[in-house]
Amino acid sequence: AQKVTQAQTEISVVEKEDVTLDCVYETRDTTYYLFWYKQPPSGELVFLIRRNSFDEQNEISGRYSWNFQKSTSSFNFTITASQVVDSAVYFCALGRPNTDKLIFGTGTRLQVFP
Amino acid sequence: SQTIHQWPATLVQPVGSPLSLECTVEGTSNPNLYWYRQAAGRGLQLLFYSVGIGQISSEVPQNLSASRPQDRQFILSSKKLLLSDSGFYLCAWSFLATQETQYFGPGTRLLVL
Repeated sequence: AQKVTQAQTEISVVEKEDVTLDCVYETRDTTYYLFWYKQPPSGELVFLIRRNSFDEQNEISGRYSWNFQKSTSSFNFTITASQVVDSAVYFCALGRPNTDKLIFGTGTRLQVFP
Repeated sequence: SQTIHQWPATLVQPVGSPLSLECTVEGTSNPNLYWYRQAAGRGLQLLFYSVGIGQISSEVPQNLSASRPQDRQFILSSKKLLLSDSGFYLCAWSFLATQETQYFGPGTRLLVL
């Protein structure tokens, strides 16, 4: 079965703190894709990153970094020096090749206080 | 570049009334199109997806339907709304070639009273 678990329902931090959002996935596919999306209060889902299962290299983009570990089926997302504008709901999602469906986690609400 | 539009942005409808939400994509041809619903405080549920004009796949049985009359137009409809239809409706598109990365529109907030 395909499943994505985001165990952290809500996280609150103070500005400039680092924060890690956890994502654990389940799949029997040998090839798959993982995604992170950001949903700010306006509601639109903003695509952040896509990672292929055969590429375990971690990625850094500014204050954002992603840690992909197949051994633990995790794809965690870290925000360094968080800012108020980072406040949003963050979704992790799993995709299978040549299908039209993404499996989303239930999301983690991040609140960054000044 | 590609853009995706949804309208209306907000809608308040009485129970039993019809519904029509529209989604259009610009800047690409023959995209895959998707309708999702997000209930308050919950995750995303895929409702329908389409790989071409007139081709609709339904994920969950319900009183909603979808149509794709043109290549870049996707419509979500209902003949009679239920209270449980309230939610945030998101349209998304992806390139046909890759299929996997989906890009979302701004969404429509629907409140059924």
